[in-house]
Amino acid sequence: DAGITQSPRHKVTETGTPVTLRCHQTENHRYMYWYRQDPGHGLRLIHYSYGVKDTDKGEVSDGYSVSRSKTEDFLLTLESATSSQTSVYFCATSTGITLQETQYFGPGTRLLVL
Amino acid sequence: ELKVEQNPLFLSMQEGKNYTIYCNYSTTSDRLYWYRQDPGKSLESLFVLLSNGAVKQEGRLMASLDTKARLSTLHITAAVHDLSATYFCAVDSWETSGSRLTFGEGTQLTVNP
Repeated sequence: DAGITQSPRHKVTETGTPVTLRCHQTENHRYMYWYRQDPGHGLRLIHYSYGVKDTDKGEVSDGYSVSRSKTEDFLLTLESATSSQTSVYFCATSTGITLQETQYFGPGTRLLVL
Repeated sequence: ELKVEQNPLFLSMQEGKNYTIYCNYSTTSDRLYWYRQDPGKSLESLFVLLSNGAVKQEGRLMASLDTKARLSTLHITAAVHDLSATYFCAVDSWETSGSRLTFGEGTQLTVNP
């Protein structure tokens, strides 16, 4: 583990409401990532951050925004949740220092949009 | 667009048997990862493969990478029940802003007594 926590761990919300998921890390890793996991798709990258205030889009970024105001926190916001955003969301981190390094994953957040 | 395909997607095997999971990818990459996920849990890193011909082994699992064929394999030797899990390969497409992983769909492995 890289000291990664996600909150909330479970959330049920209604279509059209805003939702913010939080990823917090204690390892001072430079890179942070948000993925969603859906059956038949593996994990897909939503957005990632390569430093404070530095973010970039992944392959499924539509309908999501992110912010990183400090090293330890990476927020994922669904501005207006839709049922297609029902998924399990994983945060990951890495230092990016060595080629040998993997990404370390948080425990996940289960989101249900009704 | 990088595509990563795993096969088989579902694998049921008996304890003691050997089997191989395949991971094919569509564009050049020198970095490939294998992860394990238990039901309802997070992903755990198994192997990082960095170059053509790389081979890594941990217990009953051995992973290899052939960058020319764009193929990685995860070989299971003498399977035991504890290996039941979903296994993902992920290919790194490095951007100037950092590492980006593209995952395969995953192989759900069930090892039966």
